[in-house]
Amino acid sequence: KQEVTQIPAALSVPEGENLVLNCSFTDSAIYNLQWFRQDPGKGLTSLLLIQSSQREQTSGRLNASLDKSSGRSTLYIAASQPGDSATYLCAVGGNMLTFGGGTRLMVKP
Amino acid sequence: SAVISQKPSRDICQRGTSLTIQCQVDSQVTMMFWYRQQPGQSLTLIATANQGSEATYESGFVIDKFPISRPNLTFSTLTVSNMSPEDSSIYLCSVEESLPEVYNEQFFGPGTRLTVL
Repeated sequence: KQEVTQIPAALSVPEGENLVLNCSFTDSAIYNLQWFRQDPGKGLTSLLLIQSSQREQTSGRLNASLDKSSGRSTLYIAASQPGDSATYLCAVGGNMLTFGGGTRLMVKP
Repeated sequence: SAVISQKPSRDICQRGTSLTIQCQVDSQVTMMFWYRQQPGQSLTLIATANQGSEATYESGFVIDKFPISRPNLTFSTLTVSNMSPEDSSIYLCSVEESLPEVYNEQFFGPGTRLTVL
C-alpha cells in the first residue's frame, strides 16, 4: 500500500527566503505526482503535476522535482512571500491519489 | 482546467440526519472522485463515481453510509447518511482531466465543511 510522508509538518520562514518542502513515497510505481496548495478551510489548488517520466516542472517561483528511484519529490519556493502561507500537499498515483499529511507554511512579513 | 462548484459550502447538522452534497463541473468528465478531510488530517478517498455504473468505494467506506449518484458527465452527489459527530469533515469532489500527453491531472472543488452536533 502506498504511503506518502511530508517533512516538515510545519515551517515558518521570514519573507524573501527560498525554501524546500519534501515528499517521500514508498511505492515507486507511480503515474504522476501532484503538488497542491490548500488555504484554511478551502479546497485544493493544483500547483504542479510531474509525470512519471519527467524529472521536474516549473511554474513561476515554484519548481518541483521527482526522483522515482528514491521515492522522493521536492517543492522549491523561491523568494517566499506572505501570500505563500498555506498548507502544501503532495499526492502520488494516477487517477486515484494518495496524499501526504501536508506541510503547513507560514511566511512572516 | 475544469471549474468545479459544490453545494452547500458548509452546513451544521444534527446527529442521525443525512446531508446530500452536490458537485457540478463546467465540462464533461469521465471520472469524478469524493474525498474526506477530517480535522487536521490529509485527504482520504471515499469513492470513485463513474457515470453509468455504481461507484467504487475504498476500504472503510460503504454505500449505505455514503451513497453516491452520477446521473451525467457533469454532476455527482454524495450523501452522508445517519450522521454522527465523527462525520464532521470537509468533503471534496475532484475530477480527472486528461490532456494530450498529460497524465490525469486532478482538480478539486472548494469543499463542503460539515459539522455534526
